[in-house]
Amino acid sequence: GDSVTQTEGLVTLTEGLPVMLNCTYQTIYSNPFLFWYVQHLNESPRLLLKSFTDNKRTEHQGFHATLHKSSSSFHLQKSSAQLSDSALYYCALHSGGNYKPTFGKGTSLVVHP
Amino acid sequence: AQTIHQWPVAEIKAVGSPLSLGCTIKGKSSPNLYWYWQATGGTLQQLFYSITVGQVESVVQLNLSASRPKDDQFILSTEKLLLSHSGFYLCAWDLRDWGVEQYFGPGTRLTVL
Repeated sequence: GDSVTQTEGLVTLTEGLPVMLNCTYQTIYSNPFLFWYVQHLNESPRLLLKSFTDNKRTEHQGFHATLHKSSSSFHLQKSSAQLSDSALYYCALHSGGNYKPTFGKGTSLVVHP
Repeated sequence: AQTIHQWPVAEIKAVGSPLSLGCTIKGKSSPNLYWYWQATGGTLQQLFYSITVGQVESVVQLNLSASRPKDDQFILSTEKLLLSHSGFYLCAWDLRDWGVEQYFGPGTRLTVL
């Protein structure tokens, strides 16, 4: 079945430094949709960005990610971390074979001054 | 516009007591519905999903059950709560289509004592 692997556990950064959260996936289907969701403390997860197109950069709210089918990756990046970026980030996969998404275990990002 | 409502907002229950959590979706016809659980400080765990009335698939049961009595309603329940059931329960929906994102409800915070 489908699977998603993310940077494990906690990532701690100083404000202003770049952010990179890793996401790789496995699926037998050739046209997966990849998603990043963000969940701030005491809130529900919400979509941050999504992509279907190979090698095309997708951007939203200062974050960006590029789907690379050759390496089955969809890493989340931001050039300069802000305190408000502290949250849980989930990478998710929607392949053609399942009508339900597969979520990674999540990465907790803490940005400190 | 579609809305998702969960009830109750929060619940404090005793070990061994029954539980029923609800979720309704307004403004969307025939959505896929999902239940997720999140331990305090933990990651999302997909519990159940449903693509149509009366049909529920279990992903991880955790001594819980789910039902979909109406197209816009999803119920999570158990007859006997365990301490390990404490956490944040999220209902989510998406459409029966490939590549669509999930929308999460506001959640129910459950404390089992």
